[in-house]
Amino acid sequence: EAQLVESGGGLVQPGRSLRLSCAASGFTFDDYAMHWVRQAPGKGLEWVSGVSWNIGTIGYADSVKGRFTISRDNAKNSLYLQMNSLRAEDTALYYCVKDRNFGVVNVMDVWGQGTTVTVSS
Amino acid sequence: QSALTQPASVSGSPGQSITISCTGTSSDIGGYNYVSWYQHHPGKAPKLMIYEVSNRPSGVSNRFSGSKSGNTASLTISGLQAEDEADYYCSSYRSGSTVLFGGGTKLTVL
Repeated sequence: EAQLVESGGGLVQPGRSLRLSCAASGFTFDDYAMHWVRQAPGKGLEWVSGVSWNIGTIGYADSVKGRFTISRDNAKNSLYLQMNSLRAEDTALYYCVKDRNFGVVNVMDVWGQGTTVTVSS
Repeated sequence: QSALTQPASVSGSPGQSITISCTGTSSDIGGYNYVSWYQHHPGKAPKLMIYEVSNRPSGVSNRFSGSKSGNTASLTISGLQAEDEADYYCSSYRSGSTVLFGGGTKLTVL
């Protein structure tokens, strides 16, 4: 069974950095694109970033472009999100998500349980 | 990147059918057949219900169906059941290798 487990969330001050990790198991990780999706308290889902199977294609939401960097290590079956210059509005539950396709599309068929990021002084 | 537009809420009685609309632009919904719908029960991970406009993943009830016309996609749930009560989100691929979600629709089964 495909499984995604996020880690690295926590409380961080505005302007600081945080790195999220996602460990994948139960499927051939390097066959599929991966995404980060977040949900702020009381708000809807927001796509943050996606990366294709071979890191050939990467996309970011305008709200995080220039501050966040997505990466993956196919040898370690892991996905990462480096978050710099964090703002209060980045406070959210961050989901690691698998795509059904190898490219960055939006067929998100496996979701982790999420890791919570709180940006506050 | 403005979010796709969904109604904030819809409701229906058990056994009835409801439709949730999702409006975008020619750069997202209108330009690609990569529209997905997700069901989200609070406290749980979202679940893929429809992909590529009208395809159902294995295990999803055939009471759920999707369609698209121009820049607007729709999710129809027939034979409403109490367990269908949840938040529903549409999503579309957008030019530039980006993805948009709708604002979400809260479905209430009366």
